Amino acid sequence: SAVISQKPSRDICQRGTSLTIQCQVDSQVTMMFWYRQQPGQSLTLIATANQGSEATYESGFVIDKFPISRPNLTFSTLTVSNMSPEDSSIYLCSAAPPSWLPYNEQFFGPGTRLTVL
Amino acid sequence: QQQVKQSPQSLIVQKGGISIINCAYENTAFDYFPWYQQFPGKGPALLIAIRPDVSEKKEGRFTISFNKSAKQFSLHIMDSQPGDSATYFCAATLGSSNTGKLIFGQGTTLQVKP
Repeated sequence: SAVISQKPSRDICQRGTSLTIQCQVDSQVTMMFWYRQQPGQSLTLIATANQGSEATYESGFVIDKFPISRPNLTFSTLTVSNMSPEDSSIYLCSAAPPSWLPYNEQFFGPGTRLTVL
Repeated sequence: QQQVKQSPQSLIVQKGGISIINCAYENTAFDYFPWYQQFPGKGPALLIAIRPDVSEKKEGRFTISFNKSAKQFSLHIMDSQPGDSATYFCAATLGSSNTGKLIFGQGTTLQVKP
């Protein structure tokens, strides 16, 4: 399984500012994903980070609010832009092995706990 | 059709007992059903997964039962231990599609009392 790290682990930010979250995988992976998990809630997929192309966003999430970069096969960033208190949540990065493996298992990072004041 | 419904929301079990968490899905195209375990302050960790061509999969104390006709699957934790206290999420995906999109259930918070 892949080991995934995220930075920062937590942050407290002022409304109107932006925060960039980094996700690093210890091996090359085909797919990387960003999820949001509000306290005590389930996980909701924000977008799929595609290497070499634009991210694919899920309904309700837009690029202007959550720009994503994927410069290589082991790294991705998620920016939460123009933050409001409603963005307070845990942001999780996940990754899946190369696509030639059937039934890709996703592995998750430890998450970034964001509080917006 | 993309939903996965999970129950119960919370569960309290005595040490040594059996914990059972149920999930139901609508989309018959789903072909991979993982369960994740999440401890407070940590990311979800893959616990066990099943494909619809088998009715049961067992790994240690953890067993998935799968009922394809009913579109239901469940996690059984045998001999539950206080260390099993965590939040459990079922999920479903089109694993063979390689899109990787996981649809998660609402989660079950399990407390195992010593």
